[in-house]
Amino acid sequence: DIVMTQTPPSSPVTLGQPASISCRSSQSLVHSDGNTYLSWLHQRPGQPPRLLIYEISNRFSGVPDRFSGSGAGTDFTLTISRVEAEDVGVYYCMQVSHFPWTFGQGTKVDIK
Amino acid sequence: EVQLLESGGGLGQPGGSLRLSCVASGFTFRSFSMNWVRQAPGRGPEWVSTVDIRPDVTHYADSVKGRFTVSRDNSRSTVYLQMNSLRAEDTAVYYCATRMLSHFDYWGQGALVTVSS
Repeated sequence: DIVMTQTPPSSPVTLGQPASISCRSSQSLVHSDGNTYLSWLHQRPGQPPRLLIYEISNRFSGVPDRFSGSGAGTDFTLTISRVEAEDVGVYYCMQVSHFPWTFGQGTKVDIK
Repeated sequence: EVQLLESGGGLGQPGGSLRLSCVASGFTFRSFSMNWVRQAPGRGPEWVSTVDIRPDVTHYADSVKGRFTVSRDNSRSTVYLQMNSLRAEDTAVYYCATRMLSHFDYWGQGALVTVSS
């Protein structure tokens, strides 16, 4: 199984400042069709996860442009350009390139 | 508006069975794969199962293979998860999710399954 490792486990951030989360996979996420199926999700307490970014860098419908994704192969990054109060919660990376599909362990973002 | 509504959760006995349902609306259900993801208390999500557009094409995590069965009824826009031989470690919130793009784009609110005697 592909192991998804996120760093840091938690990230206290200042409102208006940038934040970034790293996700590393134990093997390449390049699918046989040439695409890389790496996504980022955000979960608030008591809520289901919500898709933010898919295929490394594509923002899902309605996601603010302060969220961006980058990376390739085995190393990926989610960046929030200016953190807002509503961005608190846990962020997960997820891969659907290879079965079984797997998630990172999560990065908790809260406000300093 | 895409909506997914899970039901059927509750208390199950070790070794017992439960069936979850997820009713979908707001999109062409038969045109997309449907998925189940679970999240144990205080843990990250875990993919459980997927049923493709073709109902006979299904995938399972090793942790549930041979015990859980996913199915779909396109006439009812509903996906099911039959859970047999329940174990304590199956305790979790179970979410159904669509995969209209290449990822899990819409999620239901979840159904809590507790396995305990």
